[in-house]
Amino acid sequence: KAGVTQTPRYLIKTRGQQVTLSCSPISGHRSVSWYQQTPGQGLQFLFEYFSETQRNKGNFPGRFSGRQFSNSRSEMNVSTLELGDSALYLCASSEQGLGEQYFGPGTRLTVT
Amino acid sequence: ELKVEQNPLFLSMQEGKNYTIYCNYSTTSDRLYWYRQDPGKSLESLFVLLSNGAVKQEGRLMASLDTKARLSTLHITAAVHDLSATYFCAVDMNSNYQLIWGAGTKLIIKP
Repeated sequence: KAGVTQTPRYLIKTRGQQVTLSCSPISGHRSVSWYQQTPGQGLQFLFEYFSETQRNKGNFPGRFSGRQFSNSRSEMNVSTLELGDSALYLCASSEQGLGEQYFGPGTRLTVT
Repeated sequence: ELKVEQNPLFLSMQEGKNYTIYCNYSTTSDRLYWYRQDPGKSLESLFVLLSNGAVKQEGRLMASLDTKARLSTLHITAAVHDLSATYFCAVDMNSNYQLIWGAGTKLIIKP
């Protein structure tokens, strides 16, 4: 099976812009979780989607949003980018949202 | 609130030595995961521990779970440089589809 894929892998944006990141889960996995990883805050949970429904959301401002499509692919969007949004954004998939998660390679976002 | 604490957060050791990383969590859970992350890379699943007393081994790494003590350990035997990485433990919150993560242990193994 192919692994979790994320696009783009690297992104440079300017403050105030918005960005959309994409994640394709492992075939058959219906749950997709998103994480933000920074040196200062570590690994922080953003949200989890299952069958196009957001089931859980972390403690992030409303500028961070996501969605999941019927084929389980997911996107996350960050609007009005701030310098502090610079991070590695990781997507993980699992069969049902419980249990072991499989991570994609991540998208490195730099906001200047 | 579920908290997951790892210690130490940083560990520098010599090749050939043994050491243990500890992962404590604050509420009942019987599923715990260990992941490895190399610098600039994503997370790789190492072990899945699904019950009290579970023990898994892969090469020089061995993980165990004591749900009564709310403690998991990752033991490194005769460390080699290739094991240098950051190791994370994560605990399964059954009720809200979210893994709770430790802060990670950065392991540096010197030749």
